[in-house]
Amino acid sequence: TQLLEQSPQFLSIQEGENLTVYCNSSSVFSSLQWYRQEPGEGPVLLVTVVTGGEVKKLKRLTFQFGDARKDSSLHITAAQPGDTGLYLCAGVGAGGTSYGKLTFGQGTILTVHP
Amino acid sequence: ETGVTQSPTHLIKTRGQQVTLRCSSQSGHNTVSWYQQALGQGPQFIFQYYREEENGRGNFPPRFSGLQFPNYSSELNVNALELDDSALYLCASSLIEVADNYGYTFGSGTRLTVV
Repeated sequence: TQLLEQSPQFLSIQEGENLTVYCNSSSVFSSLQWYRQEPGEGPVLLVTVVTGGEVKKLKRLTFQFGDARKDSSLHITAAQPGDTGLYLCAGVGAGGTSYGKLTFGQGTILTVHP
Repeated sequence: ETGVTQSPTHLIKTRGQQVTLRCSSQSGHNTVSWYQQALGQGPQFIFQYYREEENGRGNFPPRFSGLQFPNYSSELNVNALELDDSALYLCASSLIEVADNYGYTFGSGTRLTVV
């Protein structure tokens, strides 16, 4: 069974602060994907990282995939109230019965106060 | 692109009843998967269908079953509903050959409440 440990579970910060969310696993994934989910909606893809060591930037968001393709991080610079939401990391199964299956972390509920 | 649509959006059922949830995949996608999400938690994989066959299943009992149709729409059926089945049920579609690079498209979900 593939598991993804996501931390922290809750983050409550002031506008302008920086933050990092971590996702760790003992399993190798084909890719690691980050989603954001608003209340009453489904998750929406932010980014996907495929290559070990890969770093992707999306405006104030920086995503990194570990060299061994088992872990990932999301760093937000100068957080804004509009960043508030549930952030989910998800690993895509690399093969066999896990092929194409998304394994999600527990999620991080981020609240950015004005 | 029409996205992924799910119906109904909300549903209330009584313990012991059966329920069918429906999903219409995004055009061009060949894989549909279903997830159960408790409030404030990450979604849990139920099963996945590729070309109308189940090709992966999570840790859910057999009373959770599904179908994928030739037009890539899908159903999730749950028999003998239990109170713990109350959750948001999400459908996601993808073109599995490129899912690593393009991700999955999720519907807005069906909120199921079992009383």
